[in-house]
Amino acid sequence: EVQLVQSGGGLVQPGGSLRLSCAASGFTFSSFWMSWVRQAPGKGLEWVANIKQDGSEKYYVDSVKGRFTVSRDNVKNSLYLQMNSLRAEDTAVYYCARDSIASAFWSGYSNWGQGTLVTVSS
Amino acid sequence: EIVMTQSPDSLAVSLGERATINCKSSQSVLYSSNNKNFLAWYQQKPGQPPKLLIYWASTRESGVPDRFSGSGSGTDFTLTISSLQAEDVAVYFCQQYYHTPLTFGGGTRVEI
Repeated sequence: EVQLVQSGGGLVQPGGSLRLSCAASGFTFSSFWMSWVRQAPGKGLEWVANIKQDGSEKYYVDSVKGRFTVSRDNVKNSLYLQMNSLRAEDTAVYYCARDSIASAFWSGYSNWGQGTLVTVSS
Repeated sequence: EIVMTQSPDSLAVSLGERATINCKSSQSVLYSSNNKNFLAWYQQKPGQPPKLLIYWASTRESGVPDRFSGSGSGTDFTLTISSLQAEDVAVYFCQQYYHTPLTFGGGTRVEI
C-alpha cells in the first residue's frame, strides 16, 4: 500500500524557519516526481514545489522562491521542504503528493500525505 | 502562469441527477508530442487531502466510480458526475500540470 506520512509543521513566528518531512513507503520512491501543495484555511489548493526523481530538477511557485527548498533522499525514501523567512501568508496545511505515473512527464497526484498545518504568527 | 477558471463556484444537484463542472485554462494544456491534455480533476472532502479522479483530462483513476467522467481538450474541460450520490458531496478542483507553476482552479462545491 502506498503511504505518505508527514511530520513537522506547527506554530512559528514570522521570519522563522521550519522543515517538513514526508516519509514514503509501498512504492519505488526514486521513480516518481514528488510535490508539495498547500491549502490556506478555507481556501483552494496551491502548488508549492516539485522535484524530479533524481533531484536534478526543482521548480517553485514564485511566492516561495528563495525562501523554500525542496529536497529528497532516495535512500531514506523521504521528501523534505525547508521553509525559511516564513510569512503570515504561508499559513496553510501543507501536503506532500506523488505523481500518478512513474514518468519523465508530470501527471496528476494519485497519492497524498495526511497534511500538516503550518501557522505563522507572533 | 496558466490561470484555471472553474464554473460554477457551487451547484446543488438532486440525488441521481447529473452534475457538470467546467474548467477553462488561459492557454492550451494539450501537449502536441503525445497528444495528451495535462489536466487532472480532484475531489476533496472536509478534513481530507484531495483525491485524484481523472488525469490526462479523461483517464479515470483506478477505483474511481464510472459515474465520474472527464472530457475536453485544449483549453476547455468538463467533469461530469452522471448520477449524483450522497457521498459525492465535496469540493472539486481541476489542475493543469502542463507548465510550472502548476495551477489549480478555484474549486466547485457540489451539494445535494
